[in-house]
Amino acid sequence: SQQGEEDPQALSIQEGENATMNCSYKTSINNLQWYRQNSGRGLVHLILIRSNEREKHSGRLRVTLDTSKKSSSLLITASRAADTASYFCATEVAGANNLFFGTGTRLTVIP
Amino acid sequence: NAGVTQTPKFQVLKTGQSMTLQCAQDMNHEYMSWYRQDPGMGLRLIHYSVGAGITDQGEVPNGYNVSRSTTEDFPLRLLSAAPSQTSVYFCASSLDRKEYEQYFGPGTRLTVT
Repeated sequence: SQQGEEDPQALSIQEGENATMNCSYKTSINNLQWYRQNSGRGLVHLILIRSNEREKHSGRLRVTLDTSKKSSSLLITASRAADTASYFCATEVAGANNLFFGTGTRLTVIP
Repeated sequence: NAGVTQTPKFQVLKTGQSMTLQCAQDMNHEYMSWYRQDPGMGLRLIHYSVGAGITDQGEVPNGYNVSRSTTEDFPLRLLSAAPSQTSVYFCASSLDRKEYEQYFGPGTRLTVT
């Protein structure tokens, strides 16, 4: 499978703390995307990072990409209870016509 | 814009029954896709379409058919439902097949008994 693997599977933190989740993948990619899924809802796109980029920011989100290690991390700073959700990475693999999603990290932010 | 809409939200089928899950988008997106989401498996691609009249198989296409007669609609047909098809189904669309963010519908929770 070309699916990414998120780590950890579940993470529980206090409001105001930072949350870091990681994604590892197996094959060369063109880009990597992060999505959020609230319980019972569809996925919402958060950020896209291209293979020639190393870091990207969007509000309280910071994404890094290390293509030599085939890994990415998503950092959420100053977490809020509303950040409670599952987070998925998705890779666009060279030569393929679709995104490959990982299994997700379940984040719980305790007020 | 309504974005990506899916109907129904919930469905219970008996083994062997057929049904169609509806998906529509009003963003004039060329690329549309169907995923299923199972616990511990993440999202797996069933079928996708890069434009009206063009469809192709994804990772888990068996037991499903699709067609794309218009840019807006991309229905998913279950030919003869099996308990293994119990899952949550998501339709998604994007401007282009690769580099652009995908917009997801709210999902259809299907149970096959």
